[in-house]
Amino acid sequence: DSGVTQTPKHLITATGQRVTLRCSPRSGDLSVYWYQQSLDQGLQFLIHYYNGEERAKGNILERFSAQQFPDLHSELNLSSLELGDSALYFCASSVDSSMSYGYTFGSGTRLTVV
Amino acid sequence: QQPVQSPQAVILREGEDAVINCSSSKALYSVHWYRQKHGEAPVFLMILLKGGEQKGHEKISASFNEKKQQSSLYLTASQLSYSGTYFCGTHGMGDSNYQLIWGAGTKLIIKP
Repeated sequence: DSGVTQTPKHLITATGQRVTLRCSPRSGDLSVYWYQQSLDQGLQFLIHYYNGEERAKGNILERFSAQQFPDLHSELNLSSLELGDSALYFCASSVDSSMSYGYTFGSGTRLTVV
Repeated sequence: QQPVQSPQAVILREGEDAVINCSSSKALYSVHWYRQKHGEAPVFLMILLKGGEQKGHEKISASFNEKKQQSSLYLTASQLSYSGTYFCGTHGMGDSNYQLIWGAGTKLIIKP
């Protein structure tokens, strides 16, 4: 158990639907990062939140949005889902946003769009 | 700009050594190394900071050449458990973009 909790672990949904992925960071970590990883591909950075504020945005589609709540958990919302959105979605947490500390990754949510 | 990892893939026998490189075209503040096994989450191995500080919690060593903007990960006496894809993530000096830029990964296969 890495200390970062992601739910659900698996999600199967139809095209056009909307889903919400949830991430609870490791205790004491203020930063949350979201990544998308398609089959056997690298990590595609989506978005970074630090203590409730958005800090960086990657190649995140307009159909995707995220937020970090006062208790520091974060949610990634994916809407108007397409087949190409099928992927592993990871969140990671870190102590701060300085890039001086390592990331702890959650076990991921495997999203399948049918 | 994405750092370049080399080699793209390597196959070793158990007990052999491996070196994985990560090169950037920009001045770096930090280099992170992670290992990912198939279908699992990436696991933090080590972070190297400008100035020589290293932080890690596994028996793996690494170097950071600030002049060349290159980091190398050294895996000695490899074990079967070392198999996986190794990613480096870099953060540039003075970079206000609060994210790591990830390499494409190096796939390491250890055979008994």
